[in-house]
Amino acid sequence: EVQLLESGGGLVQPGGSLRLSCAASGFTFSSYAMSWVRQAPGKGLEWVSAISGSGGSTYYADSVKGRFTISRDNSKNTLYLQMNSLRAEDTAVYYCAKGGNWNDVVGVNYWGQGTLVTVSS
Amino acid sequence: SYELTQPPSVSVSPGQTARITCSGDALPKQYAYWYQQKPGQAPVLVIYKDSERPSGIPERFSGSSSGTTVTLTISGVQAEDEADYYCQSADSSGTYGVFGGGTKLTVL
Repeated sequence: EVQLLESGGGLVQPGGSLRLSCAASGFTFSSYAMSWVRQAPGKGLEWVSAISGSGGSTYYADSVKGRFTISRDNSKNTLYLQMNSLRAEDTAVYYCAKGGNWNDVVGVNYWGQGTLVTVSS
Repeated sequence: SYELTQPPSVSVSPGQTARITCSGDALPKQYAYWYQQKPGQAPVLVIYKDSERPSGIPERFSGSSSGTTVTLTISGVQAEDEADYYCQSADSSGTYGVFGGGTKLTVL
């Protein structure tokens, strides 16, 4: 059974940093691209970032490029999102999602339950 | 930046057919994916690669593509299908992902 468990969310001040983690199990982690998707309170889904199975290719939304860094440790079956220079508009539930092996960037077939990031003073 | 356009809402009576459209300039070149999200829950993939249905998704869910528009069709809508539906695709280069704004399906 595929399981994705996010952690690391919380309250952070504007300009601060946070690192999200996603522990994966139930599949061969290194064989699949992974993504981060966020959802601000009461709003729609927003694609944030994606990474290939090997970690050699990374992709970012314009809204986070230069501030967020996606990475993975295939030896630990863990996905990360390092978030720097956080803004109020980054407040959202952040979902970790497993790629379906159709495309590195889009098309995910499993989602975690999400972790809430709140940016506020 | 690239955008996908969905209608904000669609309403149908139980047993009728609901059609939710998603428009984007790169859709002739890039596959679309559809997700269902119920309140307080993570999204669920219901259609991949325009028209393929994942295992476990009811047959009443189908997808199609024509030019710059893809369509999610739910035949014989049931009360449990009431949810938000999002399309997702990539820009023409395949390096930038995007979601449509979402469509709230109301079952009358």
